[in-house]
Amino acid sequence: KQEVTQIPAALSVPEGENLVLNCSFTDSAIYNLQWFRQDPGKGLTSLLLIQSSQREQTSGRLNASLDKSSGRSTLYIAASQPGDSATYLCAGNSNSGYALNFGKGTSLLVTP
Amino acid sequence: NAGVTQTPKFQVLKTGQSMTLQCAQDMNHNSMYWYRQDPGMGLRLIYYSASEGTTDKGEVPNGYNVSRLNKREFSLRLESAAPSQTSVYFCASSDSRARIQTQYFGPGTRLLVL
Repeated sequence: KQEVTQIPAALSVPEGENLVLNCSFTDSAIYNLQWFRQDPGKGLTSLLLIQSSQREQTSGRLNASLDKSSGRSTLYIAASQPGDSATYLCAGNSNSGYALNFGKGTSLLVTP
Repeated sequence: NAGVTQTPKFQVLKTGQSMTLQCAQDMNHNSMYWYRQDPGMGLRLIYYSASEGTTDKGEVPNGYNVSRLNKREFSLRLESAAPSQTSVYFCASSDSRARIQTQYFGPGTRLLVL
């Protein structure tokens, strides 16, 4: 089973800062690594998915990287905004079509 | 496209009562999943269905049953609810035949068992 860990559990930064959220996983044979955003009381919104053959994916101010050899993924958020405040979840699976194993998330607060 | 829809949004049950959580997707996905989310525990897989007609247990299946009614619908049933089943339940779907297998989530069902 893919064990996923996210550090830190909570993070508070002033608006405009660039920041990095960390995710580590135990099985280097990862198939997909997916980053989600969850707002309080809401469902999960997919941000980025990195396939095992890829090193990174970018969408707007977000960049996610994957290093299978070290068992790590990072989510980079550039020029953070108060609207980025949410919980960010990292999840991976070890084969096609398999369910995701989730980390417990990083709760991000961006202050004006 | 509505994506993944779940009903009900909220439910309060008494211990021992039964209920079915409904999930439907309109993206023609073959794989569907049920997760529960608890504070401090993250999301954990209850059951999944790789294709119509098949279901498999996940990490925390005890106390639940599922039905993959057709390709679109995947229901989760609590036969005799217990307070430990108080949680937020999420349904998700993906296309395991696709090159990019993003999982899409529904808005969740918040369940309180008294």
